[in-house]
Amino acid sequence: DIVLTQSPGTLSLSPGERATLSCRTSQSLHSNYVAWYQQKPGQAPRLLMYGSSTRATGIPDRFSGGGSGSDFTLTISRLEPEDFAVYYCQQYVGSPYTFGQGTKLEIK
Amino acid sequence: QVQLQESGPGLVKPSQTLSLTCAVSGASINSGGYYWTWIRQPAGKGLEWIGHVYMTGSTNYSPSLKSRVTISVDTSSNQFSLKLSSVSAADTAVYYCAGFRWSSGYSQYFFYGLDVWGQGTTVTVSS
Repeated sequence: DIVLTQSPGTLSLSPGERATLSCRTSQSLHSNYVAWYQQKPGQAPRLLMYGSSTRATGIPDRFSGGGSGSDFTLTISRLEPEDFAVYYCQQYVGSPYTFGQGTKLEIK
Repeated sequence: QVQLQESGPGLVKPSQTLSLTCAVSGASINSGGYYWTWIRQPAGKGLEWIGHVYMTGSTNYSPSLKSRVTISVDTSSNQFSLKLSSVSAADTAVYYCAGFRWSSGYSQYFFYGLDVWGQGTTVTVSS
């Protein structure tokens, strides 16, 4: 299985600040088949990004993604109050389509 | 707009089989374009991919669960199902159904991630 390791585990920031979340894969991905999801308490996850850097429908442009090989990032340029949540990365290069353990973005 | 809704027992006894169904609305399973997926999340923990099924009935399972999992599709009812046998307390979780969207063209495949999710259903394994 491809293991995804997200860092940091918890990120404490204030609204208006920039957030950078990391996702490292245990093997290099020959295709940028990485997605990012946002999950708020009591809700299902929501797709933010796919193909490492393409925003899903309706996702604001303060969210951006990038990376290649085994290092991928999700950046939120200016945090809004509604952005504080847990974020998961997922690879879909090879089965099983594993998730990272999540990064909790909390208000400082 | 595609919508998904899970249903099934919220309580299952140890060693029995967990059975859940996901009803798809707003799209026909027969139209293709989605791998219909099950994911679970124990309380306070991360997401675990269980497996998926295509409209043809072709499946792909997580190796860690493969011996106990069956995912099937019922195109006539526009729904897909999860069966997990020999459950234990470790299988207690919120179970989500989701759709992994993809398309093909120009001899290429395009993958768009899990872009539709059900609200999730809590399943507790306890006697």
